[in-house]
Amino acid sequence: GQGVEQPDNLMSVEGTFARVNCTYSTSGFNGLSWYQQREGHAPVFLSYVVLDGLKDSGHFSTFLSRSNGYSYLLLTELQIKDSASYLCAVRDRGASNTDKVVFGTGTRLQVSP
Amino acid sequence: DTTVKQNPRYKLARVGKPVNLICSQTMNHDTMYWYQKKPNQAPKLLLFYYDKILNREADTFEKFQSSRPNNSFCSLYIGSAGLEYSAMYLCASSRLGQDSYEQYFGPGTRLTVL
Repeated sequence: GQGVEQPDNLMSVEGTFARVNCTYSTSGFNGLSWYQQREGHAPVFLSYVVLDGLKDSGHFSTFLSRSNGYSYLLLTELQIKDSASYLCAVRDRGASNTDKVVFGTGTRLQVSP
Repeated sequence: DTTVKQNPRYKLARVGKPVNLICSQTMNHDTMYWYQKKPNQAPKLLLFYYDKILNREADTFEKFQSSRPNNSFCSLYIGSAGLEYSAMYLCASSRLGQDSYEQYFGPGTRLTVL
């Protein structure tokens, strides 16, 4: 069936990197987005990918493999303020040519000094 | 102004009573979404409007209504609230177009049903 899966938690150290994984299963894949959500705040858009490969956006990079139903968000040179939840959201195009968006539960990243 | 506004921010409702939540945006976005978010769960898409066309999820079809009187406003209506409706309700909007699948989210309305 359709679904988006993410690990619940991830811990890393300031100055290093963190990779947030996302696996999905959809019938009409039409792109994948990553959002950052801080406690008590709305999700904030980070990146959108629809083609295979690595998309480098500086502090954030995203990778997509459509054949494997897999994406990751890579954060480099981590800062304490990167501690937040990271949500993966998949756009699934339906028969009516409109997109349904399915979110994962989010991965809570904790960056320690 | 790239903000999505939601009113009210907090809502207390009694079981069996109706609830009406409001969302607005001035970005001329063609699509507006409503999500339900419960603790430790993914945001669940309830419905969305693409222009004037309402799309409702099959498993929530009968529980939620919505209206979009113009491009800027979209409401979420619960006819008879139950305890299970207690959640955060997030509104989002987006514009169809190349590389414009970014959803802008509002701050949410926290609904508590007693």
